[in-house]
Amino acid sequence: EPEVTQTPSHQVTQMGQEVILRCVPISNHLYFYWYRQILGQKVEFLVSFYNNEISEKSEIFDDQFSVERPDGSNFTLKIRSTKLEDSAMYFCASSVGQGVTKNIQYFGAGTRLSVL
Amino acid sequence: SQQGEEDPQALSIQEGENATMNCSYKTSINNLQWYRQNSGRGLVHLILIRSNEREKHSGRLRVTLDTSKKSSSLLITASRAADTASYFCAGGSSYKLIFGSGTRLLVRP
Repeated sequence: EPEVTQTPSHQVTQMGQEVILRCVPISNHLYFYWYRQILGQKVEFLVSFYNNEISEKSEIFDDQFSVERPDGSNFTLKIRSTKLEDSAMYFCASSVGQGVTKNIQYFGAGTRLSVL
Repeated sequence: SQQGEEDPQALSIQEGENATMNCSYKTSINNLQWYRQNSGRGLVHLILIRSNEREKHSGRLRVTLDTSKKSSSLLITASRAADTASYFCAGGSSYKLIFGSGTRLLVRP
């Protein structure tokens, strides 16, 4: 069964460093998303992406964050200058965006980001 | 918060019993979805109910939606130890899901 894959599974970085989290969405999906989950807290929406542009973003998604679809398969989240509070599990998701199942989002296993 | 407060926060039941989790939301939604998360893992979609539906079934899952009360419930019948996980409701609109805080379900063998 097709799945969303995320790499790396765990990323450790120093405060102030840039990190890029990578995702390969399901191949025929049109909508892509990033969410984060701080340990013990709820899953929070960061950004959605469609047709090579951001559809919607939350107030968490400030100028330190950016997303890109550099080729036909990858979808990346970049954090420009990491802060301690960016430590969280980051989930990528995708949805087909049309038809009966258009709203169902399929999630990757996540990247655990630890900022030291 | 914008969305989805589940109750109870934690639920412990015996295998074979039914588990009911409730969710309330605040904003307008097109649909409401339930997801499961095993410890430290990704979210797995369980069921989606549209805003014009009142009840939906999928296997051992039954979900209800009351848009007048902005609430939903998830019933898992005949629970199994493998159902142990956290369960989240999520309000769906055009381009995002807004998740609740989740219910941690423990099914004791």
